[in-house]
Amino acid sequence: QQQVKQSPQSLIVQKGGISIINCAYENTAFDYFPWYQQFPGKGPALLIAIRPDVSEKKEGRFTISFNKSAKQFSLHIMDSQPGDSATYFCAASSAGSGYSTLTFGKGTMLLVSP
Amino acid sequence: DSGVTQTPKHLITATGQRVTLRCSPRSGDLSVYWYQQSLDQGLQFLIQYYNGEERAKGNILERFSAQQFPDLHSELNLSSLELGDSALYFCASSLGLAGGARGYNEQFFGPGTRLTVL
Repeated sequence: QQQVKQSPQSLIVQKGGISIINCAYENTAFDYFPWYQQFPGKGPALLIAIRPDVSEKKEGRFTISFNKSAKQFSLHIMDSQPGDSATYFCAASSAGSGYSTLTFGKGTMLLVSP
Repeated sequence: DSGVTQTPKHLITATGQRVTLRCSPRSGDLSVYWYQQSLDQGLQFLIQYYNGEERAKGNILERFSAQQFPDLHSELNLSSLELGDSALYFCASSLGLAGGARGYNEQFFGPGTRLTVL
């Protein structure tokens, strides 16, 4: 059972455009939602994270929007750049697991064309 | 560079064999996590160790085992290997227990070990 569903699988955006990646979760116990960025040949790296007590978190060009009632959250990359081309993973965790267990979405391969 | 090191980078072996993957966490990190990344299953949490003790278990097969040594490095042992075990195996480390008094401890991922089972 996939607890975190991520879409789209792949995304092509023109330089300067907005990239949007969506995730939906099922487990209402989740209360920590990080996004990871992975470049080819590298391990995932934490990009930005949100807790459900806020509906939006912004860090530079990256924004997480969170909709608790819909059990959905999304990553927006403003002014997308070719250097943002990578695979992005949403994830979720809960206090019940001691935040040890990160449940990942299947990833979105983003290509930003020059 | 996350500060987490993993060896070897690549590993090619045959079905039925046993391999050991090694991970050195960032200096000062007490928690080590192992993940498996495959095309069909994505990134899956396998197991966590904290200061030498098993802390959490995910979708880890019985053929797989791990341990964390007194110097905090960790090893993941995979035995009776099958074709389906071919994947990228990542180790991550964090300062302490995620969600502890310090809050959400960020997990820093290593570069991974690519295992190919022929």
